Amino acid sequence: GENVEQHPSTLSVQEGDSAVIKCTYSDSASNYFPWYKQELGKGPQLIIDIRSNVGEKKDQRIAVTLNKTAKHFSLHITETQPEDSAVYFCAEDSWGKFQFGAGTQVVVTP
Amino acid sequence: DAEITQSPRHKITETGRQVTLACHQTWNHNNMFWYRQDLGHGLRLIHYSYGVQDTNKGEVSDGYSVSRSNTEDLPLTLESAASSQTSVYFCASSESSTANTEAFFGQGTRLTVV
Repeated sequence: GENVEQHPSTLSVQEGDSAVIKCTYSDSASNYFPWYKQELGKGPQLIIDIRSNVGEKKDQRIAVTLNKTAKHFSLHITETQPEDSAVYFCAEDSWGKFQFGAGTQVVVTP
Repeated sequence: DAEITQSPRHKITETGRQVTLACHQTWNHNNMFWYRQDLGHGLRLIHYSYGVQDTNKGEVSDGYSVSRSNTEDLPLTLESAASSQTSVYFCASSESSTANTEAFFGQGTRLTVV
């Protein structure tokens, strides 16, 4: 969706290194920001989400940060593993309607 | 377990034919969505529904229609298939327009228009 910009489009990391994906959005009414992981041949699956009243959320090796003033949010994956290789999408939710970024292809090399 | 299923998984059709893609969810979710996925564009919203008898156009709705006669199903119809509609189509559902909750996706339908 054009309302959400996602960078980079591809990301190659060495196993064990960190990966960071950034998104910006334009709708100031948005208050829910999920991240989805899509493996080959499958539908996207939620991996982490954050709501606008929180600045950071962590779940094991993944974390998301949100800056509502600047309208950007980021996904951080630490200690990357080969199974983290996938396409990742950020999204914003305004009134139950999701707008997605263009996706980031993450490749983790052993 | 509740789930969302799409059928068929793969379809090849000819230009000009009418095609319907099925989406069925057992979550009892109010919201249902259809997206298409193309390289470089991510997931783009085609149509969505907030409940029975409610349908709305998304950003790429031209050439597509949906109907919502019950909670479980949101079929997507391509009235006259065009080569530009070759894509992977995903159906999704979520609980409520105000709950800001997770959207659950189906496995996708790969449609080829020849």
